[in-house]
Amino acid sequence: DQQVKQNSPSLSVQEGRISILNCDYTNSMFDYFLWYKKYPAEGPTFLISISSIKDKNEDGRFTVFLNKSAKHLSLHIVPSQPGDSAVYFCAASATDSWGKLQFGAGTQVVVTP
Amino acid sequence: GAVVSQHPSRVICKSGTSVKIECRSLDFQATTMFWYRQFPKQSLMLMATSNEGSKATYEQGVEKDKFLINHASLTLSTLTVTSAHPEDSSFYICSARGGRGRETQYFGPGTRLLVL
Repeated sequence: DQQVKQNSPSLSVQEGRISILNCDYTNSMFDYFLWYKKYPAEGPTFLISISSIKDKNEDGRFTVFLNKSAKHLSLHIVPSQPGDSAVYFCAASATDSWGKLQFGAGTQVVVTP
Repeated sequence: GAVVSQHPSRVICKSGTSVKIECRSLDFQATTMFWYRQFPKQSLMLMATSNEGSKATYEQGVEKDKFLINHASLTLSTLTVTSAHPEDSSFYICSARGGRGRETQYFGPGTRLLVL
């Protein structure tokens, strides 16, 4: 049962424009959310996280928005750069889960010149 | 960010042999490490949670006798794939919990295992 869903398998965006990646979850016990970036044959790289007590967190070009009532979060990357081309995973954890992360299926982002 | 290393980065072995993969947190102490595997074009699937000094906790469907996990110190966890078979071929990734944030996990670069 997929508790974290990324319904868009791929996204193409022009360099300089905004990339918006979406993620939905079903488990209301999740209270911490993370975004990771992954290149082929490499481990995921942590990008940004957000606690359920917040609805927005910003770090440089990356902003994560959390809508708890809709069980939805999104990652905004602006401006998009060619080096942002990668697979982006949304992950979630619950306080009582000892840090276990549930991952979405990932979204392949391609930034075109 | 925190640094996690894995060794080896790739391994090819014959069916029936055992393979050990090491995961180290290089600049922080990790009381908890996690082991994942990823099949092509799929998400990361958690295999087990490894706590320093105690037995690992395995996810449903993961054979603990086949995937032996040892977390002997705060900076080292090992995964041993025993009697490997071709269906065990996968990309194995470890992560360590630590650094900034309550639940942030930092991932190793992964180990590509191919069983012939």
